[in-house]
Amino acid sequence: DAKTTQPPSMDCAEGRAANLPCNHSTISGNEYVYWYRQIHSQGPQYIIHGLKNNETNEMASLIITEDRKSSTLILPHATLRDTAVYYCIVASGSARQLTFGSGTQLTVLP
Amino acid sequence: DAGITQSPRYKITETGRQVTLMCHQTWSHSYMFWYRQDLGHGLRLIYYSAAADITDKGEVPDGYVVSRSKTENFPLTLESATRSQTSVYFCASSETGAPNSPLHFGNGTRLTVT
Repeated sequence: DAKTTQPPSMDCAEGRAANLPCNHSTISGNEYVYWYRQIHSQGPQYIIHGLKNNETNEMASLIITEDRKSSTLILPHATLRDTAVYYCIVASGSARQLTFGSGTQLTVLP
Repeated sequence: DAGITQSPRYKITETGRQVTLMCHQTWSHSYMFWYRQDLGHGLRLIYYSAAADITDKGEVPDGYVVSRSKTENFPLTLESATRSQTSVYFCASSETGAPNSPLHFGNGTRLTVT
């Protein structure tokens, strides 16, 4: 699986959009981009995933660049409960071995 | 909608004891996984299962045993616990093994081996 690079930490004001970047310059054509988050002492929570096109669900939007070398997770209206570590992962293969890196600690400030 | 549940939530055991961590999912997902999470190592795959009676090793399988007699259950057994197995253990499931099938995680079991 391709390696990802994320900033170690970010702050966001409550009610504002949180934009979390991820670089995956070595991604291959069959690898999906996944985003998970982990709130302290809980299991990782699936947020969204995509291959080429931008995706949106009830939690977030995923913007993938045309060359697929980077992506951005957008939480449109961040709340205090969105404070968590956010992991960007690229995944392929049938075994679904996800490699969780260090992630980005997002802190939503009141 | 119970989803995926793990038990116990916390467990303390002594070195050399056998301990079993339970995982149950209500989605009838084909794939199930066991991960451990340690500071500095992130999440590491221990074992996974593609279906009932089919299991395979992950990155760190030594010292662990799994079974999957029913689709919904995937217990993880530490046959003789060691201090290095102190960790937080997460069970996960996915509908299929395809790359576009997300994993859904339980809330974990925090295991301490004394």
